[in-house]
Amino acid sequence: DTAVSQTPKYLVTQMGNDKSIKCEQNLGHDTMYWYKQDSKKFLKIMFSYNNKELIINETVPNRFSPKSPDKAHLNLHINSLELGDSAVYFCASSQGKDTQYFGPGTRLTVL
Amino acid sequence: GDSVTQMEGPVTLSEEAFLTINCTYTATGYPSLFWYVQYPGEGLQLLLKATKADDKGSNKGFEATYRKETTSFHLEKGSVQVSDSAVYFCALRDAGNMLTFGGGTRLMVKP
Repeated sequence: DTAVSQTPKYLVTQMGNDKSIKCEQNLGHDTMYWYKQDSKKFLKIMFSYNNKELIINETVPNRFSPKSPDKAHLNLHINSLELGDSAVYFCASSQGKDTQYFGPGTRLTVL
Repeated sequence: GDSVTQMEGPVTLSEEAFLTINCTYTATGYPSLFWYVQYPGEGLQLLLKATKADDKGSNKGFEATYRKETTSFHLEKGSVQVSDSAVYFCALRDAGNMLTFGGGTRLMVKP
């Protein structure tokens, strides 16, 4: 069984569109995260979220908004997509400050 | 802020060679340190971790020792295999539970 899953695996879209990436974890964890990996493989935290608190990385544009319908899901909505948003986006989860488990990634290509 | 610096790759080795991937960090306080591995087309997997100075993390023949005096967490393996070919990421976790990653080091092992 997949512990952390993401959909879609690939997403190709035009500049200016709005898109969402979904993440689900079946580990019973209370904390979820979104990371961005650029073309040079550099990984950077975007958000951390648990039942009580959303922690936003200040360098993330406000076009990016995480939405958590429940503890097992953390979706990422992106408005007005730009070329520079092209990257692989990874979701992760953890129980508190324990080890973070990563999803397989969503490769976003903005044309 | 916190930062992690890894040796740039790619690192190309022959099978059964000795591997060292250097990692140094800058952080306030006492972070936990991690090595993650990303196989082609997959998400990140935790390889090993160390939570305090002088701890040694080990897994699948890989080892790394938390050296506070040199702020380092170098990854080593005595005999690499073709199946070890992947990108390796050094990371630290601060008190706020955020992971900061190094730039990744691609390892290529030839038969």
